[in-house]
Amino acid sequence: SQQGEEDPQALSIQEGENATMNCSYKTSINNLQWYRQNSGRGLVHLILIRSNEREKHSGRLRVTLDTSKKSSSLLITASRAADTASYFCATGLYGGATNKLIFGTGTLLAVQP
Amino acid sequence: GAGVSQSPRYKVAKRGQDVALRCDPISGHVSLFWYQQALGQGPEFLTYFQNEAQLDKSGLPSDRFFAERPEGSVSTLKIQRTQQEDSAVYLCASSPMREGYGYTFGSGTRLTVV
Repeated sequence: SQQGEEDPQALSIQEGENATMNCSYKTSINNLQWYRQNSGRGLVHLILIRSNEREKHSGRLRVTLDTSKKSSSLLITASRAADTASYFCATGLYGGATNKLIFGTGTLLAVQP
Repeated sequence: GAGVSQSPRYKVAKRGQDVALRCDPISGHVSLFWYQQALGQGPEFLTYFQNEAQLDKSGLPSDRFFAERPEGSVSTLKIQRTQQEDSAVYLCASSPMREGYGYTFGSGTRLTVV
């Protein structure tokens, strides 16, 4: 079963605009990660934020985490056509046999040139 | 190797046929995961290996699914007596067993059962 729900399911923007995707999850976590998937390809790890962090930046990416609300957001600034892809959040809980990521349902982002 | 390699890239199987999907993880990565991804959905966890030990197989949908990693490197996911509902992309990922590291995914095997 999926742990996370992403919102919106689909997003279409113009090149140069910012894109914001949200993720909600259900259980306690050690970290939350965001992945990108281009059509027909594997997933690419973008960024990881630990449960004791509130915000993290990597290039044009900004991730926030609110553990009290069990939610996270991914902001892509100054979007490019090459950012067109599906974006998934995934929650990680490490320790013993539970060392796995549970993925959300994904947001399909289309950046129009 | 430089990345996670999966083979075959595409597999068409007749209903009832057995299939074997291979994953070559990044050298030295202790953790290996298999996921199943249906069209338009997020990846669903199938099973997890730490070296050669299969520590979690809670996501395997039935006893027709079997995974192994006998020497702690290459892994094989086997599906016996394939059914149409097994059609999906099967993704393999590996990771060093250190907190704070993301997964590296292979490109997946697209299985179509006809």
